[in-house]
Amino acid sequence: EAGVTQFPSHSVIEKGQTVTLRCDPISGHDNLYWYRRVMGKEIKFLLHFVKESKQDESGMPNNRFLAERTGGTYSTLKVQPAELEDSGVYFCASSPRTGPETQYFGPGTRLLVL
Amino acid sequence: AQSVAQPEDQVNVAEGNPLTVKCTYSVSGNPYLFWYVQYPNRGLQFLLKYITGDNLVKGSYGFEAEFNKSQTSFHLKKPSALVSDSALYFCAVRASSGGFKTIFGAGTRLFVKA
Repeated sequence: EAGVTQFPSHSVIEKGQTVTLRCDPISGHDNLYWYRRVMGKEIKFLLHFVKESKQDESGMPNNRFLAERTGGTYSTLKVQPAELEDSGVYFCASSPRTGPETQYFGPGTRLLVL
Repeated sequence: AQSVAQPEDQVNVAEGNPLTVKCTYSVSGNPYLFWYVQYPNRGLQFLLKYITGDNLVKGSYGFEAEFNKSQTSFHLKKPSALVSDSALYFCAVRASSGGFKTIFGAGTRLFVKA
């Protein structure tokens, strides 16, 4: 069974540019989550999808961040325009539909905004 | 509000000695508690979780954790550390009645010396 994959693994962009991160969850997992870890800090929840619907987006920092999950499969997280403080590692995770289930994490995308 | 505290940035232990990585939490109601490990350039890997029942939870790679409700703690332990256990460890909590939002600690780096 393939795990959660994320693309790209690294991204270096300049302030003001746009970046789109992609996450492919484990096949059949209805729940998809985005998290972010800024250097040395805690991993912060950004949002949660159930299939294509946003269940909780309380962790999204501001309206420069847009997450989508069209068709309930893969998800994208777009940052536009990027700011210096957006730098960090963005993790995606997925889990099956029911229960207090384990979340399975992808390797993360390291974003550096210069 | 939910929160997780990992009071130690780094834990150093000699190979063969027991190890403990501390975690305390705050959550409304009953908690679901998790430990994840991150090896260099990898995503988070699930180690173990407490949902209900026995306070001592056994997980992967010989790790275990004890849920202590009165102290709101969920410390990670291993009787005999291996050099290969050196990694970054994250504790996480989710309220059993509060959706799927999971709160992570800042992580503790475990260094096992040969």
